[in-house]
Amino acid sequence: GAGVSQSPSNKVTEKGKDVELRCDPISGHTALYWYRQSLGQGLEFLIYFQGNSAPDKSGLPSDRFSAERTGGSVSTLTIQRTQQEDSAVYLCASSSSGTGGYEQYFGPGTRLTVT
Amino acid sequence: RKEVEQDPGPFNVPEGATVAFNCTYSNSASQSFFWYRQDCRKEPKLLMSVYSSGNEDGRFTAQLNRASQYISLLIRDSKLSDSATYLCVVNAGGGKLIFGQGTELSVKP
Repeated sequence: GAGVSQSPSNKVTEKGKDVELRCDPISGHTALYWYRQSLGQGLEFLIYFQGNSAPDKSGLPSDRFSAERTGGSVSTLTIQRTQQEDSAVYLCASSSSGTGGYEQYFGPGTRLTVT
Repeated sequence: RKEVEQDPGPFNVPEGATVAFNCTYSNSASQSFFWYRQDCRKEPKLLMSVYSSGNEDGRFTAQLNRASQYISLLIRDSKLSDSATYLCVVNAGGGKLIFGQGTELSVKP
């Protein structure tokens, strides 16, 4: 079946502009996660949605970052007033909380470059 | 102290070698554990879950030591295609996963 999809695959933007990144999770998966990965670094947790519960926003680095998930499916990560340090690959993952251990399936990521 | 720590490597081994990766975690309440694999410029993919009794999947064996808060991954008879970064992952509770920095493996002919 279809996996997690993300768009755009690449985004180049000027410093100070706002960007929106989209994630389509695997159908039926109730949990959705956003991470970012800077070059040569590990994954940094950003935000987590589980069903209708309030999202866990503990990983968002500043108030310029926000995310929403509409209808329990598609999610959008918004970065306002982008800075050069926001340049990274933004990865989305989804999981079915019904399976033991919360195995996550990742999308291909959006590579964001802030010039 | 990082929540999940791994030796970053790189580990450079010849084909056919056996290689072991170690990982420690700080939250003693962690309930589930995984190894993910990430190829260069690709997304992470689940390699295997780690169960309390230890588990094996072909050439790969994962072990968990809760008392020492330690997880390991053993790869036997390594192949060129095993070259990747291996990520140790811990469920911090409520579905939130914490990823280690990864251990880079390079298998040479």
